Amino acid sequence: DIVMTQSPTSMSISVGDRVTMNCKASQNVGSNVDWYQQKTGQSPKLLIYKASNRYTGVPDRFTGSGSGTDFTFTISNMQAEDLAVYYCMQSNSYPNTFGAGTKLELK
Amino acid sequence: QVQLQQSGTELVKPASSVKISCKASGYTFTSNYMHWIRQQPGNGLEWIGWIYPGNGNTKYNQKFDGKATLTADKSSSTAYMQLSSLTSEDSAVYFCARSRYYDGYYHVAYWGQGTLVTVSS
Repeated sequence: DIVMTQSPTSMSISVGDRVTMNCKASQNVGSNVDWYQQKTGQSPKLLIYKASNRYTGVPDRFTGSGSGTDFTFTISNMQAEDLAVYYCMQSNSYPNTFGAGTKLELK
Repeated sequence: QVQLQQSGTELVKPASSVKISCKASGYTFTSNYMHWIRQQPGNGLEWIGWIYPGNGNTKYNQKFDGKATLTADKSSSTAYMQLSSLTSEDSAVYFCARSRYYDGYYHVAYWGQGTLVTVSS
């Protein structure tokens, strides 16, 4: 199985910060990576698909980039409502696999 | 709009089975893959598999072979997942989630609210 290693595990941030997190695949997954946001007690929500495409209705402060084995997810201007756990997922080969998540907390 | 309504919380005994449901609305049920994903308490997400309701084809994560069985009822637009030989390790929230095909790419875009399964004697 492809292992998706997310870093950091958690981040203490302030409103207005630029936030960057990473996801590294154990083998080449092309651009077949999606990013999800999960708030406490809620279902995950799709933010970015195919590495860099913003899903419908997602604010443009959320961006994704990367290909191959290294992927980056950025929030350009952190808002309080962005506090959540963020997951990457690869769908290049079965089984689909998720990273362990990056939790954003207020400083 | 796409809606996935999952069945309610289940409290089940070890070694038993449970079948949870995911009722779809707002789209053509038979034309989209339905995925199932597990989230154990305090943990991340694990992909269990998908079913294509149009023809019943399935794809499983080998880890869940023999544990999970995915089915779909076209007449009621409902997907099901049966979990068997339950142990405490199966205590988790289970999500159904629908694929979306856009720009030549499938991705999991719509999620149900989750069903909590607790395995306890």
